[in-house]
Amino acid sequence: QQQVKQSPQSLIVQKGGISIINCAYENTAFDYFPWYQQFPGKGPALLIAIRPDVSEKKEGRFTISFNKSAKQFSLHIMDSQPGDSATYFCAATSPNRYKLTFGKGTLLTVNP
Amino acid sequence: DAGVIQSPRHEVTEMGQEVTLRCKPISGHDYLFWYRQTMMRGLELLIYFNNNVPIDDSGMPEDRFSAKMPNASFSTLKIQPSEPRDSAVYFCASSLLGAQAFFGQGTRLTVV
Repeated sequence: QQQVKQSPQSLIVQKGGISIINCAYENTAFDYFPWYQQFPGKGPALLIAIRPDVSEKKEGRFTISFNKSAKQFSLHIMDSQPGDSATYFCAATSPNRYKLTFGKGTLLTVNP
Repeated sequence: DAGVIQSPRHEVTEMGQEVTLRCKPISGHDYLFWYRQTMMRGLELLIYFNNNVPIDDSGMPEDRFSAKMPNASFSTLKIQPSEPRDSAVYFCASSLLGAQAFFGQGTRLTVV
């Protein structure tokens, strides 16, 4: 059973455009939702995270939108740059925050 | 700090052989995680330790897999005997008090 569903699998955006990646979860016990960025040959690195008590969190060009009633959250990358080209993973954790459950990932390509 | 260090970076072995993956967590971190990444299944948590003690090994696929953490600065993941379906990238990650997880660069394992 896949507890975190992520879409799309791949995304191509032009430089300066907005990249949007969506995730949905099933387990209502999840209480922390991080996004990780992974470049080829590297391990995932935390990008931004949100708790369910807020509906939006912004850090620079990256914004998480969270809809608790729909059990969905999304990552928006504004003014996308070629350097943003990477694989993005949404994740969710149980109340003890130690077991990260990842989505399958989205390969983002930003064309110059 | 050099971050989480994994070795080897690449491993090619024949089916039936024993494989040992190594991890040095960030100094001072008290949680250590082993993940496996494949195209089909994405990122899966295999096992995690707290203060060198295994807490949850429910993600370990079968008895051929074992993990140890003899001290705070070293952990191993062993596969014996290895099978082609074990081919994947294995990540080690560490965190302090279960907060943000820092990943190593991974070990790409190929079993032929």
